[in-house]
Amino acid sequence: ETGVTQTPRHLVMGMTNKKSLKCEQHLGHNAMYWYKQSAKKPLELMFVYSLEERVENNSVPSRFSPECPNSSHLFLHLHTLQPEDSALYLCASSRRGAGNEQFFGPGTRLTVL
Amino acid sequence: AQRVTQPEKLLSVFKGAPVELKCNYSYSGSPELFWYVQYSRQRLQLLLRHISRESIKGFTADLNKGETSFHLKKPFAQEEDSAMYYCAPRPNAGNNRKLIWGLGTSLAVNP
Repeated sequence: ETGVTQTPRHLVMGMTNKKSLKCEQHLGHNAMYWYKQSAKKPLELMFVYSLEERVENNSVPSRFSPECPNSSHLFLHLHTLQPEDSALYLCASSRRGAGNEQFFGPGTRLTVL
Repeated sequence: AQRVTQPEKLLSVFKGAPVELKCNYSYSGSPELFWYVQYSRQRLQLLLRHISRESIKGFTADLNKGETSFHLKKPFAQEEDSAMYYCAPRPNAGNNRKLIWGLGTSLAVNP
């Protein structure tokens, strides 16, 4: 599959579980992003990886832990989540630099019980 | 935080009518703004960016620094324009700034 792919597409987990979301891009980009989209709330940038540098929104709780082993792969490790973390998690990638278009994945719908 | 707001959740117009989707921003420094669109059962995709000053699918958006706005306009709406539209700041990879998109405006173009 070309473009940005995300797995799994749906995930249901308990508060004590540990799971990971995966994102992969086949576009030769060098920046990747995690976004959170909750119902009735705006899309919020969680993490940015750009040229191996990580920038994070400092309001994201530590129970979310990103990992970017290379420029094509991005993970979001989840542990001891809360029900309010249920949301659509979107991955995106772009070329690093001003004005560059982000390409989005289809998202992972996460439900925390 | 760098924040954009879209005051309208839903905008409904008739085919051929002009359409304007509003976006206001609050920023420190120079803003870099984009419009993204999500058609039914498709992914978010870029529509246009303010630095290009381009017209895409008949849509234009001008950055008005005096009014801190970046409204999206089209003189004659088409049914295929029905979608969810998001005003977005540039995801600046620096300074730990909090970046918040607009809530989105759902545009419905009726025949």
